[in-house]
Amino acid sequence: NAGVTQTPKFQVLKTGQSMTLQCAQDMNHNSMYWYRQDPGMGLRLIYYSASEGTTDKGEVPNGYNVSRLNKREFSLRLESAAPSQTSVYFCASSAGTANTGELFFGEGSRLTVL
Amino acid sequence: GQSLEQPSEVTAVEGAIVQINCTYQTSGFYGLSWYQQHDGGAPTFLSYNALDGLEETGRFSSFLSRSDSYGYLLLQELQMKDSASYFCAVRDGATGGFKTIFGAGTRLFVKA
Repeated sequence: NAGVTQTPKFQVLKTGQSMTLQCAQDMNHNSMYWYRQDPGMGLRLIYYSASEGTTDKGEVPNGYNVSRLNKREFSLRLESAAPSQTSVYFCASSAGTANTGELFFGEGSRLTVL
Repeated sequence: GQSLEQPSEVTAVEGAIVQINCTYQTSGFYGLSWYQQHDGGAPTFLSYNALDGLEETGRFSSFLSRSDSYGYLLLQELQMKDSASYFCAVRDGATGGFKTIFGAGTRLFVKA
């Protein structure tokens, strides 16, 4: 099983450019998440999708949009990239039930905005 | 909103026991998780406590006290490979769907 797959793994953008980070999971999970992690810091929740067809803002949603394309895929879009969005982005998925807290993470996408 | 507090750094020697504490505030608490992350890698799940008490998984144990909004991760027989960052995370269900909010992380240095 591939688990959670993110693309691209590395990206360099100029300020103002747009891009979409793709994420797919093959575990039939209900919930999917996008986090960002800045150097030496914890993971901050950008957006999440508790189930197919729903999306909600997390802690730091400004400057981002998301699409839950289907149960497998959850994409993150930067419409007009800013240097403050330079970060490592992690997609994660979970079964989405009350009795399990396990998130499965992708390998991360390292984004640099110049 | 949610907030979590954990120490920024802990140093211990190989073979020792170390405890990483976490206190949290959230309105829709369902459980407390712990994750390990090595430099350059993705976080990996260690444990989840939904009920009060101690959960043991090999050399790692995790404890939760819901009444005190407090938990800890206990690492025994420390090995050099345990040098990593450790994050506590609350599972919050206040808004109808479950989301997981992470603390800032504790950097563990294991010395020979």
